Amino acid sequence: DAGITQSPRHKVTETGTPVTLRCHQTENHRYMYWYRQDPGHGLRLIHYSYGVKDTDKGEVSDGYSVSRSKTEDFLLTLESATSSQTSVYFCAISADRDGNQPQHFGDGTRLSIL
Amino acid sequence: DAKTTQPTSMDCAEGRAANLPCNHSTISGNEYVYWYRQIHSQGPQYIIHGLKNNETNEMASLIITEDRKSSTLILPHATLRDTAVYYCIVRPYSGGGADGLTFGKGTHLIIQP
Repeated sequence: DAGITQSPRHKVTETGTPVTLRCHQTENHRYMYWYRQDPGHGLRLIHYSYGVKDTDKGEVSDGYSVSRSKTEDFLLTLESATSSQTSVYFCAISADRDGNQPQHFGDGTRLSIL
Repeated sequence: DAKTTQPTSMDCAEGRAANLPCNHSTISGNEYVYWYRQIHSQGPQYIIHGLKNNETNEMASLIITEDRKSSTLILPHATLRDTAVYYCIVRPYSGGGADGLTFGKGTHLIIQP
């Protein structure tokens, strides 16, 4: 299995508080992605990174920011969490972005905003 | 990206081959067929992918029809641990823009003891 660690695995917090989720990889892959998964919506891309300090928005980026200061770490931050951001968050990595390179996923962070 | 159609659910007896179909009739020449699965409470797991030719790895085989409009994922000897939701995804060769994968509803495969 790809070496991807997401932390924390579970978090409960209150509306309006900042939250940071971490994705750590040991594969030295260039590309990293953050998705959220909600019932009825499947997986949706939030942000992705194509290198250190290089990031871009995905389909549902409003309310989220990301940072990548090292190849192995990709952070997702909710500056002021809202109940609509209650979800399961998955990190993925890939060696390249062409269609012949699979994305590999971590085991997710279950986030509840009360 | 091309749309895929899969049955909502399927049953298979333990030890038998599980054959999961996928229709992707609008696929274009530079799009790959990918299969992932998701076991409850875990992240999606990559299984296999292919462009034109049939592919096999330690987990499964992928059979793509000659016209590429459909494919079948084969789990040769299904076990109870293969119970999961299986997703068929079509993905273009060149990234270009946000490269998120689009997961549909998938097929819920239930392996019966």
